[in-house]
Amino acid sequence: DIQMTQSPSSLSASVGDRVTITCRASQSITSYLSWYQQKPGKAPELLIYAASTLQRGVPSRFSGTGSGTDFTLTISSLQPEDFATYYCQQTYSTPRTFGQGTKVEIK
Amino acid sequence: QVQLVQSGAEVKKPGASVKVSCRASGYTFTNYYLHWVRQAPGQGLEWMGMINSGGGSTTYTQEFRGRVTMTRDTSTSTVYMELSSLRSEDTALYYCARENGRSGSYYFDYWGQGTLVTVSS
Repeated sequence: DIQMTQSPSSLSASVGDRVTITCRASQSITSYLSWYQQKPGKAPELLIYAASTLQRGVPSRFSGTGSGTDFTLTISSLQPEDFATYYCQQTYSTPRTFGQGTKVEIK
Repeated sequence: QVQLVQSGAEVKKPGASVKVSCRASGYTFTNYYLHWVRQAPGQGLEWMGMINSGGGSTTYTQEFRGRVTMTRDTSTSTVYMELSSLRSEDTALYYCARENGRSGSYYFDYWGQGTLVTVSS
């Protein structure tokens, strides 16, 4: 199975900050990497797929980079509605494993 | 518009089984795989398995193999996830999610609202 490791597990940031979350795969997954945002009590929502393609309707302050084993999610200017937990997921093979999540909290 | 609507919350005793449904609408049901993901209280997302809504083939993660069964009913555009031999550790929110494939990748573009399964004696 491919293991997905996110860092950090949590972070505190202020509105307007630039935030970067990293995700590392235990083997190459080329660009089969998605990012999701989950708010308390809600289902996850797709932000980015194919490592860097923004899902329709997602604000352009979100961006994704990487290929192979190392990936990043960047929020260029954190907004109040961005405080949530973020997950990466590989869809290169089954099982479709997720990272453990990164909780973005208000500083 | 695409919607995945799941069945309501369940309370089960240890050793029992639970069957959760996920009714799809707004797209051609048989053209997509549907996946099941669970989330224990305060924990992360755990992939359980998937079903080809067209052909009915399934793939389950090792952890649930032997305890989980995913089926589909094309006449009602509904997929089902049945988990047997329930234990307290199975208490979680269970989500269905549609997998799409584009731009040389796969991703879960629509999710159900989640079904809370509580296992308690």
